[in-house]
Amino acid sequence: DQQVKQNSPSLSVQEGRISILNCDYTNSMFDYFLWYKKYPAEGPTFLISISSIKDKNEDGRFTVFLNKSAKHLSLHIVPSQPGDSAVYFCAAILNAGNMLTFGGGTRLMVKP
Amino acid sequence: ETGVTQSPTHLIKTRGQQVTLRCSSQSGHNTVSWYQQALGQGPQFIFQYYREEENGRGNFPPRFSGLQFPNYSSELNVNALELDDSALYLCASSPDRHRGGSYGYTFGSGTRLTVV
Repeated sequence: DQQVKQNSPSLSVQEGRISILNCDYTNSMFDYFLWYKKYPAEGPTFLISISSIKDKNEDGRFTVFLNKSAKHLSLHIVPSQPGDSAVYFCAAILNAGNMLTFGGGTRLMVKP
Repeated sequence: ETGVTQSPTHLIKTRGQQVTLRCSSQSGHNTVSWYQQALGQGPQFIFQYYREEENGRGNFPPRFSGLQFPNYSSELNVNALELDDSALYLCASSPDRHRGGSYGYTFGSGTRLTVV
């Protein structure tokens, strides 16, 4: 039972344009959602998180939107840069718990 | 401040052998989690240690075991290795077991284990 899903395995975007990465979840008890970026041969790097009591969180070029009724979240990167090319993982956590549940990842390619 | 460091970076073992992977948590972090990432998949939670006690376990068999030491570093031990254990093993630390959501966990670069 995959509680967190990223349905797009890859996404290609032109430099300077917006990148939108999507994530769906099934467990309504999740109360934090996180996005990680992963380069080859490195561990995941935390980008941004959002509490389930909010619908938007912004940090520089990165904005995460949460739609609880649809059990959907998205990460917007504006403007996209070639250095953003990486695999992006969506994850969810029960904050009173201890386990990150990850999606399968989306490979983002930003073309110069 | 130093981040999370893992050793070794790569390892090749034979089916049936035992392996120990090591992790030093980020300075000031008392919570360490271990994840297994198979090729093309997201990381899967193995277990978490908080102040030297196991604080939750994922869907992994008992041959996966761990330890946390007083300095909060940690080991992951896998006995009776199987071919399907081939994966990237990631260690992650957090300042506290209840701050994973807001803080986000700091991951190490992982140990690539190949079982032949």
